[in-house]
Amino acid sequence: AQTVTQSQPEMSVQEAETVTLSCTYDTSENNYYLFWYKQPPSRQMILVIRQEAYKQQNATENRFSVNFQKAAKSFSLKISDSQLGDTAMYFCAFTSVTRDSNYQLIWGAGTKLIIKP
Amino acid sequence: NAGVTQTPKFQVLKTGQSMTLQCAQDMNHEYMSWYRQDPGMGLRLIHYSVGAGITDQGEVPNGYNVSRSTTEDFPLRLLSAAPSQTSVYFCASSLIGGGPYEQYFGPGTRLTVT
Repeated sequence: AQTVTQSQPEMSVQEAETVTLSCTYDTSENNYYLFWYKQPPSRQMILVIRQEAYKQQNATENRFSVNFQKAAKSFSLKISDSQLGDTAMYFCAFTSVTRDSNYQLIWGAGTKLIIKP
Repeated sequence: NAGVTQTPKFQVLKTGQSMTLQCAQDMNHEYMSWYRQDPGMGLRLIHYSVGAGITDQGEVPNGYNVSRSTTEDFPLRLLSAAPSQTSVYFCASSLIGGGPYEQYFGPGTRLTVT
C-alpha cells in the first residue's frame, strides 16, 4: 500500500529563519506526483508546490523549495525567510498517475508550523 | 472563474436529519472528490468521481451518498446524520487527463450534528 509519513507533528521557528519540513513516502510506482499543501487557520487548502517524479530538478516557488530524493523516497519542503503568514498546517500528498490508483491523493498526517515574531 | 465552490459554509443538524452539501467547479475538471477533516487530523476520502456518471467509494463512505450527473456538480448527501459526522467537509477537483493532477479545494463546510 502507498503511504505518506510526516514525522514532525509540530515545529516552530522565528520569523525570517529557514525551516525544513520532512515527508517520506512509500510506493512501487515509477510515475507519480508529490505535493505540499498549506492549510492556514482559515482552513482553506492551498497548493504550495508540486514535484513530478520524472523530473530530477527540484521544484521552487519563490521562498518555497523542495528536496526531492527519489531513491530515498523523501520529499522535504524548505521555507526560506519565513513569515508570520506561513503559520499553518502543512500536508504532504502523493498520487500515482495510473488508472489503477483512481488518481487519489494519499495524504500525510500534517505538520503544524508556527512562525514566531 | 470561481474555482471550486461549496454551500453551505456552516450547518447544524439534529441526529437523524438528512441534507445535501453542494459542490461545483467551473474548471472542466474530470475528477472530483469529497473529504472530511476531523479536528487535528488530516483529510480522509469519502467518495470520488472520475467523470460524469462515474462514482466510487473512498476510505470512509458509510452514511454518505454521491452522484455526478454533470461535470460541474458533485453533491454529497448525508442520509441520516449522526454525531460522528460532525466534521469539516471539503470538496476538491482536478484534471486527470495528462495532469497536472493537483487538487483544487473548496472553502469547506463545517457541519455539526447534535
